[in-house]
Amino acid sequence: TQLLEQSPQFLSIQEGENLTVYCNSSSVFSSLQWYRQEPGEGPVLLVTVVTGGEVKKLKRLTFQFGDARKDSSLHITAAQPGDTGLYLCAGSSHYYGGSQGNLIFGKGTKLSVKP
Amino acid sequence: ETGVTQTPRHLVMGMTNKKSLKCEQHLGHNAMYWYKQSAKKPLELMFVYNFKEQTENNSVPSRFSPECPNSSHLFLHLHTLQPEDSALYLCASSQDGADLGNEQFFGPGTRLTVL
Repeated sequence: TQLLEQSPQFLSIQEGENLTVYCNSSSVFSSLQWYRQEPGEGPVLLVTVVTGGEVKKLKRLTFQFGDARKDSSLHITAAQPGDTGLYLCAGSSHYYGGSQGNLIFGKGTKLSVKP
Repeated sequence: ETGVTQTPRHLVMGMTNKKSLKCEQHLGHNAMYWYKQSAKKPLELMFVYNFKEQTENNSVPSRFSPECPNSSHLFLHLHTLQPEDSALYLCASSQDGADLGNEQFFGPGTRLTVL
C-alpha cells in the first residue's frame, strides 16, 4: 500500500515567518500535487510537479519534487494569515494497479498563521 | 468557486434513513470522483467515473451506492449508514480520469452526520 506521510501535522507561526512542510513516501510517484483546503471548502490545487528535482514557484510558495520522485516539500516565505489552511499532498502513480489518474492523499499539514 | 457544486452542504440522518448526495460540475470534464474525508485520516477515494462508466470502487460498503446519469452529474445514495460513516464527502472532477497528474477540481463537500 502506498502511503504519503506529511509533516508536521500541525504548525502555528507568526506572520512574517518562513516555514517548510514535507511530504514523504517509500514509493515512487509519477507526479505529485499540492492542494490547500480552507475550513468549509474542498481542496484547491496549488501546483503539480512531474520531473524529479523540479522546483516550481508560486509567489511566496516554493515547491520541490525530490530527485527520486518519492518526496516533496513546500516552502512558504514571509507567511501571511491568508496562508492559513490544510495543506495536502497527493501522488499519482500507475505502479499500484489503479488508474494512473487516481490520487493518493497524505493526511495534511494544518497551518495557522497568526497576525 | 471551483465550478463543482454539492448539495446539501450539511446532512444529519438516522441509521435507518435513505438520503442522496448530489454533485454537479460545470467544467465540461469527463471524470468525476467521490472522496471521504474523516478526521485524522487521509482523503479516501471511494468511486471514480470516467465518461459515465464506473472505473474504480475502492472496496466501499454497499450501503453507499453511486450513480452517474451523465458526465455533469454524480450522486451518492446512502442507506442504513453507521455512525462511523460521519465525515465530509467531497466530489471532484477532472478533464480525463486516465491522465497522469490530472488536476482535480473539488466541490465544497457535504458534512454528513449519522446519528
